[in-house]
Amino acid sequence: DTAVSQTPKYLVTQMGNDKSIKCEQNLGHDTMYWYKQDSKKFLKIMFSYNNKELIINETVPNRFSPKSPDKAHLNLHINSLELGDSAVYFCASSQDRSVKKYGYTFGSGTRLTVV
Amino acid sequence: AQTVTQSQPEMSVQEAETVTLSCTYDTSENNYYLFWYKQPPSRQMILVIRQEAYKQQNATENRFSVNFQKAAKSFSLKISDSQLGDTAMYFCAFMSEGTGTYKYIFGTGTRLKVLA
Repeated sequence: DTAVSQTPKYLVTQMGNDKSIKCEQNLGHDTMYWYKQDSKKFLKIMFSYNNKELIINETVPNRFSPKSPDKAHLNLHINSLELGDSAVYFCASSQDRSVKKYGYTFGSGTRLTVV
Repeated sequence: AQTVTQSQPEMSVQEAETVTLSCTYDTSENNYYLFWYKQPPSRQMILVIRQEAYKQQNATENRFSVNFQKAAKSFSLKISDSQLGDTAMYFCAFMSEGTGTYKYIFGTGTRLKVLA
């Protein structure tokens, strides 16, 4: 019973394509996140949703569009993919009242390779 | 803006020995939270240990302990009795208390290799 599941785990696609990564959590958490880990392993937040409301939107190209149909799901759609989008994308979730104590629960990541 | 610095890109340690990974951060806030995460080759992010800034006592979790120096803004991780399974990337992370949006600021990571 995976707590935060992302699909797909691996994605190889050509430049210019549009792709989506899906994330679901079964923990009943209030908040979900997308982080990007680049080729140097640096992790940076992209977006965060709390109960379907966008609360964090870092400086991310507008080719990236998150969508949260309900608080258990947060999907990431990427238009017109570029080589520089190649990275590992992590979904995570947290419970507001306990995030400072327990941190996030992370998914296992999606490795996106743009060729 | 907060920043987190991990000055050791790579480290190695012999099995059963002790190793310390360093982390410094910069913030003007008084209340915040610090975390260490482990990322093994499987890519999964695993919480190792956490520390609240208002607590002076250093956190410990089995073989893992921290040396938290608030005035120096330092948060190092000590791994005792290192095991082969400790081989991983280790990330230090800062979480602010004040904004109400609980995002991590991560350091650049330290790749730890435990040698048999």
